Amino acid sequence: AQTVTQSQPEMSVQEAETVTLSCTYDTSESDYYLFWYKQPPSRQMILVIRQEAYKQQNATENRFSVNFQKAAKSFSLKISDSQLGDAAMYFCAGMTGTASKLTFGTGTRLQVTL
Amino acid sequence: DAGVIQSPRHEVTEMGQEVTLRCKPISGHNSLFWYRQTMMRGLELLIYFNNNVPIDDSGMPEDRFSAKMPNASFSTLKIQPSEPRDSAVYFCASSLVKGADYGYTFGSGTRLTVV
Repeated sequence: AQTVTQSQPEMSVQEAETVTLSCTYDTSESDYYLFWYKQPPSRQMILVIRQEAYKQQNATENRFSVNFQKAAKSFSLKISDSQLGDAAMYFCAGMTGTASKLTFGTGTRLQVTL
Repeated sequence: DAGVIQSPRHEVTEMGQEVTLRCKPISGHNSLFWYRQTMMRGLELLIYFNNNVPIDDSGMPEDRFSAKMPNASFSTLKIQPSEPRDSAVYFCASSLVKGADYGYTFGSGTRLTVV
């Protein structure tokens, strides 16, 4: 079983600034994967970034990067140079290697202000 | 690729009526998932299929809910009879068997309102 916890219901960032969204997880398995999904007002779920647990290097996708702390079971998302289009709900999710199903956190609503 | 296609996008129905939600996964994907999203409970996995076979339906709330996948390109989620507490956004998603390699691709969801 896997649990995913997002403790920040809402966050706000000014345009062009950097923001970090927190996520912690718990699993007894050694083979697992972590994801961040973005859900804008259109409600479409969009994969932002993923991380394999066996990789020590933090994943990066353009302005999005993660800080994966395996021992602490922490998986935070950093958004650099924030843009108005980044405003959305962000969900942290996990998947164990033995199962295909994603377990989601409760989400963090990100506001981007001028 | 058109992505995962769900229909209808919105559905309003009266309590007690049957509701059928439809999903067409991405061609070549062999796992399909139905999720429900509500404010109170967040995103919940209802059921998932692998190669058209239901693997885990432990998230299906009760017998009023049923899901089928008659072939690799089509799945339905049916609620009969519907109740107001079923009001939610229902997502379908698909992936390759090794979904972790790619994550899921989600459809745009069906917003169901039961009055």
